[in-house]
Amino acid sequence: SYVLTQPPSVSVAPGQTAGITCGGDNIGSGTVHWYQQKPGQAPVLVVYDDRDRPSGIPERFSGSNSGNTATLSISRVEAGDEADYYCQVWDSATDHRVFGGGTRLTVL
Amino acid sequence: EVQLVESGGGLVQPGRSLRLSCAASGFTFDDYAMHWVRQVPGKGLEWVSGITWNRVTIGYADSVKGRFTISRDNAKNSLYLQLNSLRPEDTALYYCTKGTSGYYFDYWGQGTQVTVSS
Repeated sequence: SYVLTQPPSVSVAPGQTAGITCGGDNIGSGTVHWYQQKPGQAPVLVVYDDRDRPSGIPERFSGSNSGNTATLSISRVEAGDEADYYCQVWDSATDHRVFGGGTRLTVL
Repeated sequence: EVQLVESGGGLVQPGRSLRLSCAASGFTFDDYAMHWVRQVPGKGLEWVSGITWNRVTIGYADSVKGRFTISRDNAKNSLYLQLNSLRPEDTALYYCTKGTSGYYFDYWGQGTQVTVSS
């Protein structure tokens, strides 16, 4: 089955840019989606189709995807961005949806 | 406003069954695939199962295949998940999610807790 690898944690100072990676075999040949989950809340879609944002998601959230790595970038990080972030893809070989293990973003 | 409201969770003994329900509103239910995603407390997200709008395509994670059954009633705007032969490792918060043509989930419910323990 297809595996997505994320770093367990990323720390960043307020106002800086955070980069959260998602590694997978030739992940760039497909599309990647990102979810934010704050404690006690359901996940929220923040980026879909590699780089598009749903209505209501700030422009500070952006994404890229190439080769074996996809990246969620959060610019001008705020305390309110502190959360767990998950990448997700569709595995065409199995028609399964696959999540990465998640990355906890800590704002210092 | 899209709303997904799960129900049916609870405490159940290993080997027993449970049926989860999801009531959907705020969108044309029979236009979209629907899915269940679960999360063990303190752990990551795991896709469990999905069903297309017309029930033609149904999929299950390997961890639940043969034990769980997904279904939907478009007339009632409802999604279901029948959980049989439950195991302690099925203990999780089960989310109902709305699918998209792009294979991601744009709306999530608040989840219903399933605890499997003797």
